[in-house]
Amino acid sequence: GQSLEQPSEVTAVEGAIVQINCTYQTSGFYGLSWYQQHDGGAPTFLSYNALDGLEETGRFSSFLSRSDSYGYLLLQELQMKDSASYFCAVSLLRGSARQLTFGSGTQLTVLP
Amino acid sequence: IAGITQAPTSQILAAGRRMTLRCTQDMRHNAMYWYRQDLGLGLRLIHYSNTAGTTGKGEVPDGYSVSRANTDDFPLTLASAVPSQTSVYFCASSDPGQADTQYFGPGTRLTVL
Repeated sequence: GQSLEQPSEVTAVEGAIVQINCTYQTSGFYGLSWYQQHDGGAPTFLSYNALDGLEETGRFSSFLSRSDSYGYLLLQELQMKDSASYFCAVSLLRGSARQLTFGSGTQLTVLP
Repeated sequence: IAGITQAPTSQILAAGRRMTLRCTQDMRHNAMYWYRQDLGLGLRLIHYSNTAGTTGKGEVPDGYSVSRANTDDFPLTLASAVPSQTSVYFCASSDPGQADTQYFGPGTRLTVL
């Protein structure tokens, strides 16, 4: 089977930097994705790492180490609107297609 | 239509009743998915379809069925609802080669009493 672990809650202040970690145990791993979900809303795609290293998209960056089965999402210059749940998801091959398995999510609270 | 739509937005259902949740996308994505989201458990895959005419079971398929008659529509049916199926249901779609980038609908909040 597979498992993903990420912290359940993280709190930070506006303007700060926060890192949300994700560790995984799985077979058939293709890559690690991150999704954001505001309360009552739909998950939205943030980033995807297939290779080791850092991917940067504006204030958000995502990192993957395949050898350590570990990744993180880095949010810089935090804003109040970043308060949301963040899910890591591993991309696995099932049959002939890749699918996602999601972690339980990290609730980020940004304080003024 | 822009993206993915789901209907109904919310529903209260008596146990034992049959219910179909609707999902329609206009992005011409071949792959579609149904997830349920429960507090503390994240998103769990119920069923998926990689292309019209094919479907497959996900992590938690029991009690649910799907069909994929065309590219745009992917309905999820609960044949006889039970209280444990109370959840928020999300439909999603992606290009089959880009399953890591999925686009989600707004969700259906289902309560089974």
